[in-house]
Order: sequence, then C-alpha cells, then structure tokens
Amino acid sequence: EDKVVQSPLSLVVHEGDTVTLNCSYEVTNFRSLLWYKQEKKAPTFLFMLTSSGIEKKSGRLSSILDKKELFSILNITATQTGDSAIYLCAVEENTGNQFYFGTGTSLTVIP
Amino acid sequence: DVKVTQSSRYLVKRTGEKVFLECVQDMDHENMFWYRQDPGLGLRLIYFSYDVKMKEKGDIPEGYSVSREKKERFSLILESASTNQTSMYLCATLAGGTEQYFGPGTRLTVT
Repeated sequence: EDKVVQSPLSLVVHEGDTVTLNCSYEVTNFRSLLWYKQEKKAPTFLFMLTSSGIEKKSGRLSSILDKKELFSILNITATQTGDSAIYLCAVEENTGNQFYFGTGTSLTVIP
Repeated sequence: DVKVTQSSRYLVKRTGEKVFLECVQDMDHENMFWYRQDPGLGLRLIYFSYDVKMKEKGDIPEGYSVSREKKERFSLILESASTNQTSMYLCATLAGGTEQYFGPGTRLTVT
C-alpha cells in the first residue's frame, strides 16, 4: 500500500509557466513532510513542513501542508529550464523516525 | 508491489566496530544508492552502484565502503564506526531514470 503518492508522475511545461506538484500521504504518526529536488545523483533539500497552513517560500518556490486532508503542494512560478528535475516528497513518521518517499514528479521545462 | 528493504530499523554500535548495513530490492533495478540524512543537511549521497560489482563514490564516501555482489543487494560498510557516523541511512533504487524507490531507513547510533 502506497504511503506517499505524488502527482503528476511527469510534467512538461514552457518557460514562464507556473506548476503545482502534489504529494498526498497516509502516515499515522506524522512528524514532517520534506520536499527535495533531484537533478543528478543526490536530492537537494527544499523544504520541511510540520504545521498546516503555513507557507514556506524560497524564491520562486513555495510549499504548503494540509494535515487535515493529508497533502502538500509545491508551487514553482515563472519556471526556468533550470527547474527541470525530479521533485521528491518524503514523509517522516514520529515513531522510529521512518521515512516514506514518493516516486517523484519529473518536471521538464522547455524554452 | 515495489520493495526496498533494509536489514535493520535501528542499530547501536560502539566506536571502532565494523558495521554492515544491508539493502535488498526485488525490482531488478540496476541502480542502487546509499544516502545519509542529517538534520539541516538533507540527503547526502555516500555511494552508488549502476551494476553488479560496479560502484562509484558519491559526495561523502570517506569512512564508508560498499559491496554489490548480486544485483538485488547493496551493502554499506563502515570499516571503523565513529560517532560522526551517527545518522539515518537510506537506500534507494532507480527505475527508468526517473522513479526512485527508497527503503524505510536505518537509524544508526555510534556510541
């Protein structure tokens, strides 16, 4: 049974578009939700979310968590070709510090 | 159902001990990875393997070695554990260049 589901699986957009990536989860003892960007070998940390409704922002990227509906979104505005990557969502469980990762959304930004 | 399993959820070892972390996948994926995750640092790549008996250093290979004798198994070895190797260790496999599947993680404490 999937614990973390990301959608869409892949996305192709033009430069300047705004994209929204989704992450839904089913984890009983939620501790935090993390977003990563993976371009080459190792994912780069983007955000950690622990509280509902509080938007985290970094430049053109922003993310928000809804702990009632069990999902998070990652927004990227004014996309650039350098945003092309796989975006991973992970949820950390409180008991045992176990992590559940989604399989990622592959974003391609074309000029 | 895809599966990446790690041999232990928790491990406590003493300084100087040799430690083996095992990762097994049942998806016939060529690529396998070992990461460590630390607060504030996100995921960092230790080693990866793209085929049996093939391995490449990641960003932080010092103090670690790996073994991939069979396609389904990728072992991470700490030759002489040190306290700064206390961390969460995550194994992952890669399918089709886009979908990454993570194991549940092993929390290692070195005392």
